[in-house]
Amino acid sequence: AQRVTQPEKLLSVFKGAPVELKCNYSYSGSPELFWYVQYSRQRLQLLLRHISRESIKGFTADLNKGETSFHLKKPFAQEEDSAMYYCALSGSNQGGKLIFGQGTELSVKP
Amino acid sequence: NAGVTQTPKFQVLKTGQSMTLQCAQDMNHEYMSWYRQDPGMGLRLIHYSVGAGITDQGEVPNGYNVSRSTTEDFPLRLLSAAPSQTSVYFCASSPPGSPLHFGNGTRLTVT
Repeated sequence: AQRVTQPEKLLSVFKGAPVELKCNYSYSGSPELFWYVQYSRQRLQLLLRHISRESIKGFTADLNKGETSFHLKKPFAQEEDSAMYYCALSGSNQGGKLIFGQGTELSVKP
Repeated sequence: NAGVTQTPKFQVLKTGQSMTLQCAQDMNHEYMSWYRQDPGMGLRLIHYSVGAGITDQGEVPNGYNVSRSTTEDFPLRLLSAAPSQTSVYFCASSPPGSPLHFGNGTRLTVT
């Protein structure tokens, strides 16, 4: 079955602390993995996609095919990082269809 | 560019009423899709379209209809609203092989 799992509903850290949002997936094939972010009552925005291998707003994510994981990391969290984060998966030629995880709410405290 | 525009932003319906959630994009994207966002469940795909005249069901299509008569528009119809359809609805579009662009969402409450 195709599935994306984000085991933490809420992650609370202090400003300046490292943060890791976990994402595991199940997919028979070669998926493309994404992280989307949703700031309070705003639209979802793309944060990262694994094929880009870039860092956005200090966040990075590495696709680990052996562990079927795509964890999102940032060495020093900022208060403005507080948001809802969704990991998502797309198969090849899937017509814009994404499978989303349940989401993790990140709260960065001052 | 306006991007992906959803109307209305908020809607309250009574059980059994019908309504259409509007979605329009001005980026000439081929792919469009509708998701619903529920607490603890992430976003789930309702219907999607890979081009004008082509639609298909997603994970949770029951109770919803769609059509795609033009590239720009992809309305979502609720034929007989139920409390279980209380949710936030997001429309998205993309070119093939590219990430989705989302609208601002429609918050629907069915009483």
